[in-house]
Amino acid sequence: AQKITQTQPGMFVQEKEAVTLDCTYDTSDQSYGLFWYKQPSSGEMIFLIYQGSYDEQNATEGRYSLNFQKARKSANLVISASQLGDSAMYFCAMREGWRGQNFVFGPGTRLSVLP
Amino acid sequence: EAGVAQSPRYKIIEKRQSVAFWCNPISGHATLYWYQQILGQGPKLLIQFQNNGVVDDSQLPKDRFSAERLKGVDSTLKIQPAKLEDSAVYLCASSSGHLKENTEAFFGQGTRLTVV
Repeated sequence: AQKITQTQPGMFVQEKEAVTLDCTYDTSDQSYGLFWYKQPSSGEMIFLIYQGSYDEQNATEGRYSLNFQKARKSANLVISASQLGDSAMYFCAMREGWRGQNFVFGPGTRLSVLP
Repeated sequence: EAGVAQSPRYKIIEKRQSVAFWCNPISGHATLYWYQQILGQGPKLLIQFQNNGVVDDSQLPKDRFSAERLKGVDSTLKIQPAKLEDSAVYLCASSSGHLKENTEAFFGQGTRLTVV
């Protein structure tokens, strides 16, 4: 079964506006971590933000914030004040298990920032 | 701090040939991952090592793929024999914490394999 679902294959946003990228996950573990990575056309995977299942507050890192709704099993990424350099693939990922195994990724969302 | 090193960056082989990829994780990182990323898709976990032991290899096609991590540092991923559908980018990643959930994985640049 798909553990990570990203329902938006592609998204467009105007420069300087905010955008939300959706991510839902499936796990029976109580303890897990959720991650967002950015992959520009150059191919490298860049870590953006992390949310732990026991964290009570939503994670924030600069222009990135994570809208974590545990009961709904969603961990949406919000990018504020979009920049042209934000155009890339964005992957939601989850690590679960007592040994931190199953570090799995979703299918990704391609974000295009328009000038 | 040096990042995750992978080689080669690119490889073109004919189907039924064999190929090997090498990964040197960040110093001190106990956990090492190999992912396969087919164009337009998310990375698919092939195998996860904790030191030199395998934690998860449930999605590794063991009839043709093999991986080892001798001495718990460098790792090698091999495909023998290669098929056309193995064309992908093979990403290696490492992380430091093995019992925690909040440890990000650091990725190498990947090896782009083309099977013709």
